[in-house]
Amino acid sequence: AQTVTQSQPEMSVQEAETVTLSCTYDTSESNYYLFWYKQPPSRQMILVIRQEAYKQQNATENRFSVNFQKAAKSFSLKISDSQLGDTAMYFCAFMKQNNAGNMLTFGGGTRLMVKP
Amino acid sequence: DTAVSQTPKYLVTQMGNDKSIKCEQNLGHDTMYWYKQDSKKFLKIMFSYNNKELIINETVPNRFSPKSPDKAHLNLHINSLELGDSAVYFCASRISSGGEQYFGPGTRLTVT
Repeated sequence: AQTVTQSQPEMSVQEAETVTLSCTYDTSESNYYLFWYKQPPSRQMILVIRQEAYKQQNATENRFSVNFQKAAKSFSLKISDSQLGDTAMYFCAFMKQNNAGNMLTFGGGTRLMVKP
Repeated sequence: DTAVSQTPKYLVTQMGNDKSIKCEQNLGHDTMYWYKQDSKKFLKIMFSYNNKELIINETVPNRFSPKSPDKAHLNLHINSLELGDSAVYFCASRISSGGEQYFGPGTRLTVT
């Protein structure tokens, strides 16, 4: 079974600054996906970024980038130029690859507050 | 043009009642899921269907019964509701050959 751990229950950052959210996972799988989802107060789950484990290059999406360390089983999310709209819960998630019905295993979440 | 929709968005009911939550996706995906988010925001898989076939059934009480009439729909029926069933229930879908899952807006169930 897979486990995902987010060690920072809460974080805060000043607007326009950079913040990094941590995530570690445990698996014996070789092929898998890792994701960061954002859940604002509206409760909608929004995909922020995805990483395929076979890719060595770290994924980036505009102000969001990851630091994927496969050997260390670490998958941190960096948010640059933080904006007030980034205030939300952030969930790290793991999913095995190549099987129908594969589920997401989530970490416990990090509540991020962006301060003006 | 909502991708994954759920009805209702809010549901308040009394203990012992039976209720259903419906989910529909118009993305052409073949795999659908139900997740439960508890009061501490922890998200956990309940069920997964691929092409109308049950693939994943986590340790969920028998009072919860999913039903997939076709690939675009996945409903969740809950019998004899208990206080501990209060949570947000999310439907999600994906294409089995692809990656990310797309989530519905969630249904907040409150059992009094």
